[in-house]
Amino acid sequence: QVTLRESGPALVKPTQTLTLTCTFSGFSLSASGMCVSWIRQPPGKALEWLALIDWDDDKYYSTSLKTRLTFSKDTSKNQVVLTMTNMDPVDTATYYCARRGIHGDFDYWGQGILVTVSS
Amino acid sequence: NFMLTQPHSVSESPGKTVIISCTRSSGSIASNHVQWYQQRPGSAPTTVIYEDNQRPSGVPDRFSGSSDSSSNSASLTISGLKTEDEADYYCQSVDSSIWVFGGGTKLTVL
Repeated sequence: QVTLRESGPALVKPTQTLTLTCTFSGFSLSASGMCVSWIRQPPGKALEWLALIDWDDDKYYSTSLKTRLTFSKDTSKNQVVLTMTNMDPVDTATYYCARRGIHGDFDYWGQGILVTVSS
Repeated sequence: NFMLTQPHSVSESPGKTVIISCTRSSGSIASNHVQWYQQRPGSAPTTVIYEDNQRPSGVPDRFSGSSDSSSNSASLTISGLKTEDEADYYCQSVDSSIWVFGGGTKLTVL
């Protein structure tokens, strides 16, 4: 079955760089049409799409955050990695990785990882 | 980029029907499919509608989706409300490889 799991630090300091890893199973990111995305949700607030990487290694970023984001994949390890630079307390959120399925929806999600930005 | 605007909250009684709207700010609602997600507290979202009006297996037929070009909006309709439907609901669409979520609607079933 398809699973995704986020890992990374629970706490980062302002101005630091956040590195999050999503380890997935049950599908191959090298298969045509497969994509993985990062989506975040500040406490009590709405979902916000951050970035997406596809099977062809094309990357797409949120317009407002693209200067701070880098998305990469390691197909052999079934992992994708997101880095976000210059973290700020407003970036405190639960960060989810999710697969974009064949119907265009995010059909499988990880459990999410809460990242707090505080000194 | 476009925005998707949803009502902040809706409430209705068990057994009734509720409609949650999702209005696209620019560009045609019909130009890209709309998805709807349900999120219960402490859990990741799950899809209840994809491609405007399709239900994933396991989602009851009480959930339906539609799109209206005249109002440039999509709607999620939940009929025969149950207390278990109480959750946050998000619409989502895409344009020019930018994925957008609505601000979410908190559904209270009381």
